[in-house]
Amino acid sequence: AQKITQTQPGMFVQEKEAVTLDCTYDTSDQSYGLFWYKQPSSGEMIFLIYQGSYDEQNATEGRYSLNFQKARKSANLVISASQLGDSAMYFCAMREASSASKIIFGSGTRLSIRP
Amino acid sequence: DAGITQSPRHKVTETGTPVTLRCHQTENHRYMYWYRQDPGHGLRLIHYSYGVKDTDKGEVSDGYSVSRSKTEDFLLTLESATSSQTSVYFCAISEYGGSSYNEQFFGPGTRLTVL
Repeated sequence: AQKITQTQPGMFVQEKEAVTLDCTYDTSDQSYGLFWYKQPSSGEMIFLIYQGSYDEQNATEGRYSLNFQKARKSANLVISASQLGDSAMYFCAMREASSASKIIFGSGTRLSIRP
Repeated sequence: DAGITQSPRHKVTETGTPVTLRCHQTENHRYMYWYRQDPGHGLRLIHYSYGVKDTDKGEVSDGYSVSRSKTEDFLLTLESATSSQTSVYFCAISEYGGSSYNEQFFGPGTRLTVL
C-alpha cells in the first residue's frame, strides 16, 4: 500500500536561509508521481512541484527543488533563500500508476520563517 | 486559476442530519476527488471519481457517499452526520491519472461543524 511519511511536524528557519523538508514514501509500483503542495494560513492548497519516478533529473521550479533519491524512496523539498511568505504548511503527496489516480498525502510540515 | 468552486463554504449542522457538499468545476477535467483535512492527519482521500458515474472509495470512505451525474459536479453526502465528521473538506480535480505529470487543482474548501 502506498504511504507518505513526513517526520518533521514543525520547523523554524531564519529568513534567507535554505531549508529542506523531508518526505519518504513507500510503494511497490515502478511508476508513480510525487508532489509538493503549500498551504498558507489562508487555507488554499498551492501546487509547488512534481517529480515522476522515471524522471532522471531532479525537478526544479524557481526557488523550489525536489531532491529525489529513488533508492532511498525519499523526495525532499528544498527551498532556497527562504522568505517570510514561505511560512506555511507543506504537504508531500504521491500517486501510483496502479492506484487509478488516487493521490495520498503526508501529514505535513509547518514551516515558520524568522525575520 | 482553475475554476473550482465548493458550496457551501461554511456549514454548521446537528448530529444525525444529512449534509451534501457540492464541488463544481469549469475545466472539464475527468478526475475529481474529495478529501478531508484534520490536524495531524494531513489530507485524507474520501472518494474519487474517474468519470461520470464512475466513483471509488478512498482511505476514509465510511459514512460518506458520492455521486457524479455530470462532468462538472461531484457531490459528497454525509447521510447522517456525526461529530467525528467535523472537518475541512477539499475538492480537487485533475485532467489525467496514473503517474503522468498532472497537478491537482484544489477548491477553496468547506468548513463543516457537526454539533
